[in-house]
Amino acid sequence: GAVVSQHPSRVICKSGTSVKIECRSLDFQATTMFWYRQFPKQSLMLMATSNEGSKATYEQGVEKDKFLINHASLTLSTLTVTSAHPEDSSFYICSARWSGGMGHGGDTQYFGPGTRLTVL
Amino acid sequence: QQQVKQSPQSLIVQKGGIPIINCAYENTAFDYFPWYQQFPGKGPALLIAIRPDVSEKKEGRFTISFNKSAKQFSLHIMDSQPGDSATYFCAAISGAGSYQLTFGKGTKLSVIP
Repeated sequence: GAVVSQHPSRVICKSGTSVKIECRSLDFQATTMFWYRQFPKQSLMLMATSNEGSKATYEQGVEKDKFLINHASLTLSTLTVTSAHPEDSSFYICSARWSGGMGHGGDTQYFGPGTRLTVL
Repeated sequence: QQQVKQSPQSLIVQKGGIPIINCAYENTAFDYFPWYQQFPGKGPALLIAIRPDVSEKKEGRFTISFNKSAKQFSLHIMDSQPGDSATYFCAAISGAGSYQLTFGKGTKLSVIP
């Protein structure tokens, strides 16, 4: 249980185009999903918190008009990188909050496999 | 301000050894401490987690030791194998807050045959 998928796993696009990344919780409902960005050999940087049916909360320094987040259902959140530029190239990872415990004792986050974005 | 400090940054052990990764935190509102394992090009995978009312938790070859008074916790990997070579992140979360994970900076573990 507690599987999170991401699609696509890898995308290459031209500068100025928009890219949409989907994050799905496959076997549980997630009222809260998170989007992270990870640079090589670094830890995960939280970009935004996405709550089902409401506007996402963005971390300081993250442009909400550039990184559009939609959490339309309890199993799907999307991140759209608008007018992508080479500096947006990165590894984007989503996670879904699950309060089911599953032996771990409480709320935690399960991560998707990540999406490698390369903007040419 | 880094709220979860993780050390060492990298670690090399021989097969069968017991690597130990340490983390320390400041925020006493943290009430859940998961560890994640990440392989290159993959998302982090939940490995094991602990609450502060427990001093030790073991799952398979992975053990968390927790010292609430010192605000420290550590991951031990018993009988380490080359397949355990990955980056390990400790994290902390506050159930009373936004449920956001606060990550350590990660430890790159290499287990050599």
